Order: sequence, then structure tokens, then C-alpha cells
Amino acid sequence: QKEVEQDPGPLSVPEGAIVSLNCTYSNSAFQYFMWYRQYSRKGPELLMYTYSSGNKEDGRFTAQVDKSSKYISLFIRDSQPSDSATYLCAMKRGNRDDKIIFGKGTRLHILP
Amino acid sequence: NAGVTQTPKFQVLKTGQSMTLQCAQDMNHEYMSWYRQDPGMGLRLIHYSVGAGITDQGEVPNGYNVSRSTTEDFPLRLLSAAPSQTSVYFCASSTSGRTDTQYFGPGTRLTVL
Repeated sequence: QKEVEQDPGPLSVPEGAIVSLNCTYSNSAFQYFMWYRQYSRKGPELLMYTYSSGNKEDGRFTAQVDKSSKYISLFIRDSQPSDSATYLCAMKRGNRDDKIIFGKGTRLHILP
Repeated sequence: NAGVTQTPKFQVLKTGQSMTLQCAQDMNHEYMSWYRQDPGMGLRLIHYSVGAGITDQGEVPNGYNVSRSTTEDFPLRLLSAAPSQTSVYFCASSTSGRTDTQYFGPGTRLTVL
């Protein structure tokens, strides 16, 4: 089983819909969870960051972590065409300079 | 601040050629890293550095060398290019202890024929 699993998509949804993006993981030692957004032919940019379990909200974006199920989610409300990108989940174990493990990314298309 | 810069943006090599991908950051970050991104494989760590003079291997280090003589620069050297090294290469940096908030460069698209 891979450490981090993420459905590659593509996922196409109409503008204004709520988008749900998910990752599962196998290593219970992961404590830090991130979501990166990557536009076509650009570098990834950090979108959301959470520590341990719980929810975190930032504008239209909500990140959820369920450590008991080893499952993380990113919700996008009122989706816009500008949200069309690849979303990568990422996670790491301890603090300091521990390596980050990335999911393969989900391609999202928001249809106008 | 320019953030993380990478040169060149595109490069085509022939098998067996060597080259250096350049990465620089102006944020005084101690931690720098190199990733490659391939379709269906996600981002994989090649090498990383926690400070000037200190480097270590990541997940896929074979065929690549790095050095860190200054805080700002972290070049990646391909010793003898192979078609399997065709990929998009990203450099990233962060403050020490905060690899969870890395800033990525724009990438270098490398094709090895």
C-alpha cells in the first residue's frame, strides 16, 4: 500500500458547486497535513496547512483531517473557474526538517 | 523579493551530456530541496539541504549531485543524462524546521533524448 493515495481525476464540476478533494494515508505517524495548488506549468503553492486532527477554514477553503480514519479532505465552496488546477495533498511525520510525502495530485476543472 | 528562482526554464539534452540546474532563493531560508515531478508519480524528493555545507539524499538521488556552498544557492547536477531523467524539476525552500511551508520555484522542464 502506498503511503499516500490520491485520486488523479480529472474532476469536473460546474461553477458554484462545492468541491471535495480527498487523500488517504497509511502511516499513522503523520501529524502535519498540507494542501498545495498547482496551476498548469507552474510550481506548487501552499494552500492550507493543518496539524493533527480537526478542521481549518480559510475563505472558501476548508481542510479536514480525520486521523482515526487516516483520511484528509479539502472542500472548496462556491467554486470558480480560477480554482481549476491540480491539488496535491502532502503530509509529514514530526516537526523540524522531516521529509514531506506528496500525493500524486487531483486535476480539477471548474466549468463556467 | 524574487522568492525561489530556477534557470533554465527549458532544456533539451542528449543522452550522456551533463548539466547543472540552478536554484536560488532570497528569503534567507536554511532548508532547500529538489523534487522531480513525473506524470502519475507525483513529486519525489531528489536531494535536500538543511544549511550551507550540509546535503542529504532523498527518495530518488541516483544520477544527481548537489552541493550547498551558500545559503542562497542549491544547484542540481546531472552527471550523465539519461532519458529516464526527462521530467519537470522543482526547487523549494523553507525556514529551518518548517518543511511544511515550502516555497516552490517555477520549475525546469528537462527533456533527454
